Amino acid sequence: ETGVTQTPRHLVMGMTNKKSLKCEQHLGHNAMYWYKQSAKKPLELMFVYNFKEQTENNSVPSRFSPECPNSSHLFLHLHTLQPEDSALYLCASSRSTSGSENEQFFGPGTRLTVL
Amino acid sequence: AQSVTQLGSHVSVSEGALVLLRCNYSSSVPPYLFWYVQYPNQGLQLLLKYTTGATLVKGINGFEAEFKKSETSFHLTKPSAHMSDAAEYFCAVSDPWGGTYKYIFGTGTRLKVLA
Repeated sequence: ETGVTQTPRHLVMGMTNKKSLKCEQHLGHNAMYWYKQSAKKPLELMFVYNFKEQTENNSVPSRFSPECPNSSHLFLHLHTLQPEDSALYLCASSRSTSGSENEQFFGPGTRLTVL
Repeated sequence: AQSVTQLGSHVSVSEGALVLLRCNYSSSVPPYLFWYVQYPNQGLQLLLKYTTGATLVKGINGFEAEFKKSETSFHLTKPSAHMSDAAEYFCAVSDPWGGTYKYIFGTGTRLKVLA
């Protein structure tokens, strides 16, 4: 595998379910990001991890819980979601979060539908 | 605060015609500027970026963009559109000098190429 991978690619869940999204990067990067992409809205940055430490939580509801066990893996745990949480969730990584090293590489995304 | 404006949420061009996608930014310091492309059901792929130096930047797939500080613009062009260019294009700005890694994305422009 190369680049940034995300699993699953599609997920349908009920509002009472608990599920997790997984992201893995094979680029040797140290920073990882979660974005939410909804129709007709700009990409919304949700969380940022740098060297496994969370450096950004962009006022995301607590029903979204990120986890970064190492610099290569990032999870987004989901529970009691709402229909408006249906979106494409994109993971990205960069060498670091500073200066010219913050060029971000994106995964293919997970299309989430909340019923 | 930084912001990005992409004029035209939908642009249609004929195959072989010039592609021009507009991006204007607001930033109090010299920014880094990016264009990403997103094909259906895929993540974002970097087309090109401007950091410092030459203001005319060439990217992949025959695209190029010119940083015009006086106009605060970073428009994306391609001399001759191909059917495979049909996708959504996102302009993004970051402020590396301020130490922030955040990308601010535009709302995207969907390019349609007519046969």
